[in-house]
Amino acid sequence: QKEVEQNSGPLSVPEGAIASLNCTYSDRGSQSFFWYRQYSGKSPELIMFIYSNGDKEDGRFTAQLNKASQYVSLLIRDSQPSDSATYLCAVPKEGAAGNKLTFGGGTRVLVKP
Amino acid sequence: GAGVSQSPRYKVAKRGQDVALRCDPISGHVSLFWYQQALGQGPEFLTYFQNEAQLDKSGLPSDRFFAERPEGSVSTLKIQRTQQEDSAVYLCASRFRGTGYSTDTQYFGPGTRLTVL
Repeated sequence: QKEVEQNSGPLSVPEGAIASLNCTYSDRGSQSFFWYRQYSGKSPELIMFIYSNGDKEDGRFTAQLNKASQYVSLLIRDSQPSDSATYLCAVPKEGAAGNKLTFGGGTRVLVKP
Repeated sequence: GAGVSQSPRYKVAKRGQDVALRCDPISGHVSLFWYQQALGQGPEFLTYFQNEAQLDKSGLPSDRFFAERPEGSVSTLKIQRTQQEDSAVYLCASRFRGTGYSTDTQYFGPGTRLTVL
């Protein structure tokens, strides 16, 4: 079992719809969770992070965390073609020097006009 | 500078050549990470520096990979005797604080795409 798992997609959504991305993790000691967006040929850029159970909203993005079930999700409301990218779930390793990030494989999202 | 910079952006090497990849982190950032990203995969951790100290090199694939950050700012990742399986994007990331601040954001550079022929 991989430490951080995501559905690779592609997740195809029509413009204006909600895109729902899921991520599961294996380390129960994990405390914080990051969502990065990566356009093709570019580097990852932070969308948002969450460390408390429940929902966290930032503009059109909502992160949801359920530590008991060990999953974190990202919702993209009113999806735009510019949201087409790969979304990476990243989990810092607690107790490790530097708290290095462990990434999932990423979910590719395609927003169709 | 405003962000993390890396050079070169693209590197083509013949199998067996040595390469050196440079990372300039955000000024004042204590932590510096190197990650390797294969096509269609998420980034994988290679090594971590806190200032000039290399505290974790558990992700380096072999002893052909070597990294340094001698003055606690610029870092170089060196790959000796490159092999085709080394072809990947090498990402550098920096973070303001050191170990224990896992909620701090890691900021990524644009990466170096290495192709080994």
